[in-house]
Amino acid sequence: DQQVKQNSPSLSVQEGRISILNCDYTNSMFDYFLWYKKYPAEGPTFLISISSIKDKNEDGRFTVFLNKSAKHLSLHIVPSQPGDSAVYFCAASMGATNKLIFGTGTLLAVQP
Amino acid sequence: GAVVSQHPSRVICKSGTSVKIECRSLDFQATTMFWYRQFPKQSLMLMATSNEGSKATYEQGVEKDKFLINHASLTLSTLTVTSAHPEDSSFYICSAILDTNQPQHFGDGTRLSIL
Repeated sequence: DQQVKQNSPSLSVQEGRISILNCDYTNSMFDYFLWYKKYPAEGPTFLISISSIKDKNEDGRFTVFLNKSAKHLSLHIVPSQPGDSAVYFCAASMGATNKLIFGTGTLLAVQP
Repeated sequence: GAVVSQHPSRVICKSGTSVKIECRSLDFQATTMFWYRQFPKQSLMLMATSNEGSKATYEQGVEKDKFLINHASLTLSTLTVTSAHPEDSSFYICSAILDTNQPQHFGDGTRLSIL
């Protein structure tokens, strides 16, 4: 049973436009959510996180929105740059265990 | 910033060989390290949680005698794939955290190929 889902396996966006990556989860006990960026043959790089007590967190070009009632979070990248092209994973954890449950990833391609 | 180093980056070996992978936190002491496995075009799946000075906690379906984890210090955890077989071929990634509810920082992974 996939507790964290990224239903779009890929997304293509023009440079300068907004990229919106979506993630849904099923376990209401999750209280900490993260987005990671991953290049092939490398480990994931942490981008941004959000606690369940918030509904928005912003860091430069990256903003994460959390809708707890819909069990949905999204990552907005604006403006998108070609260097943002990578696979993006959302992840969730609950309590102090820190165990991360990852989504299946979305491949973002930013076209110059 | 925090850096996690994983070694080796790639291993190719014969079936039946045991392979050791090291995960080091370079500029912080990691109370907890994690080991993940990623099959092609799939998500990262947690294998085990490694706590310094105590036994690792394995996820359901992960054989603890197959995947030996040792977390001997606050900066080093090792994963040994014992008597590896072709089905163990995968991308193994470790991560480390400094404190609860802090983001995990990942190593660059180890591509294990068993012939």
